Amino acid sequence: NAGVTQTPKFQVLKTGQSMTLQCAQDMNHEYMSWYRQDPGMGLRLIHYSVGAGITDQGEVPNGYNVSRSTTEDFPLRLLSAAPSQTSVYFCASSYDKYSGNTIYFGEGSWLTVV
Amino acid sequence: GQQVMQIPQYQHVQEGEDFTTYCNSSTTLSNIQWYKQRPGGHPVFLIQLVKSGEVKKQKRLTFQFGEAKKNSSLHITATQTTDVGTYFCAGNRGSTLGRLYFGRGTQLTVWP
Repeated sequence: NAGVTQTPKFQVLKTGQSMTLQCAQDMNHEYMSWYRQDPGMGLRLIHYSVGAGITDQGEVPNGYNVSRSTTEDFPLRLLSAAPSQTSVYFCASSYDKYSGNTIYFGEGSWLTVV
Repeated sequence: GQQVMQIPQYQHVQEGEDFTTYCNSSTTLSNIQWYKQRPGGHPVFLIQLVKSGEVKKQKRLTFQFGEAKKNSSLHITATQTTDVGTYFCAGNRGSTLGRLYFGRGTQLTVWP
């Protein structure tokens, strides 16, 4: 049981490049989400999913796409990277899609856009 | 806008002193959770409070949920250097299918 696995851990991108942050969980959780964390801003929700085939926008969705083709995977795509997307990204999953039960976080992906 | 306000943003204490962080929501929450994030690490779940007026303890940590279910606090008694990190509250509003609203966190520094 690996929990929530994120890759890559570190990435440097050039402005305009695209990339995908991978997230997988092996806990059969229904609810998965992506957050970004910037200094002094706490955790801000980018996109979330309450089950396979269902996604929705969070607080800061612009510039990001997601899909949820399986229960286990929830990749985050940066379409055309911008320096403002330099951040630490956390994938998270939880069991109960109605009450937002305990959230388990991945170890984070440090992204720098130059 | 910010759904859950958390204060203070920073707190520096000497080892042995107490520490408290507060969360306030403009709307009633169905539950509130607390997380701790060590420097360079990821948030780790500490506890969930569900009932109005609920108080839970974990060793030196005391968590409270307000009677109106709009505020919460985390109190650490006699801080230790191992308590260093950022503490986040996260509120859940039942109508949003499990979407959590995180406070901006309180970064705790403990001087030995």
